[in-house]
Amino acid sequence: GAVVSQHPSWVICKSGTSVKIECRSLDFQATTMFWYRQFPKQSLMLMATSNEGSKATYEQGVEKDKFLINHASLTLSTLTVTSAHPEDSSFYICSARAGASSYNEQFFGPGTRLTVL
Amino acid sequence: GDSVTQMEGPVTLSEEAFLTINCTYTATGYPSLFWYVQYPGEGLQLLLKATKADDKGSNKGFEATYRKETTSFHLEKGSVQVSDSAVYFCALSATGTASKLTFGTGTRLQVTL
Repeated sequence: GAVVSQHPSWVICKSGTSVKIECRSLDFQATTMFWYRQFPKQSLMLMATSNEGSKATYEQGVEKDKFLINHASLTLSTLTVTSAHPEDSSFYICSARAGASSYNEQFFGPGTRLTVL
Repeated sequence: GDSVTQMEGPVTLSEEAFLTINCTYTATGYPSLFWYVQYPGEGLQLLLKATKADDKGSNKGFEATYRKETTSFHLEKGSVQVSDSAVYFCALSATGTASKLTFGTGTRLQVTL
């Protein structure tokens, strides 16, 4: 099946620094990628949808200047958490969808655990 | 807004026991319903889905039936195996929202010998 990777799998950073998380589709081209955030014992919350070559669409309540998303190629999307603070500590998960149809399946990465000290 | 409620875990079963994980939803219109499974250290994988009322999704011995009258999509398996130990997420995709997924909180299943 289709494989999506994330890097790093975990990261610890100091408050005020920026952290970049990569999401790659390894064996297919992803026209659309999604970024989710998951708090302990809570569901995945969609943060934003990114389409290759265009600006990301953010969900209500998500700060676009804090969570910068770049989908520069059909196999790579990045999420940059700028000026991270302890409340940004979470599990970030990306997914990728091949093709333009909204009925195409999303394939998920294994997630990145961010801890901000 | 749309929401998904699933039973809290963890659920601990002996091998070959019957499994039910309850899932109910709230949505306008006619959503598509999904079960995803996440094995340790891996990404979520689509386990099964149903796109309209009374549809039954099935895969790897797991089944779930789209019940519009009870707004439910309970996951069942007749005989679980140790290899089924994972976290199971119920999710929906509302019509016209370009595959935006709304997830439940996940239910951890632990199967023992």
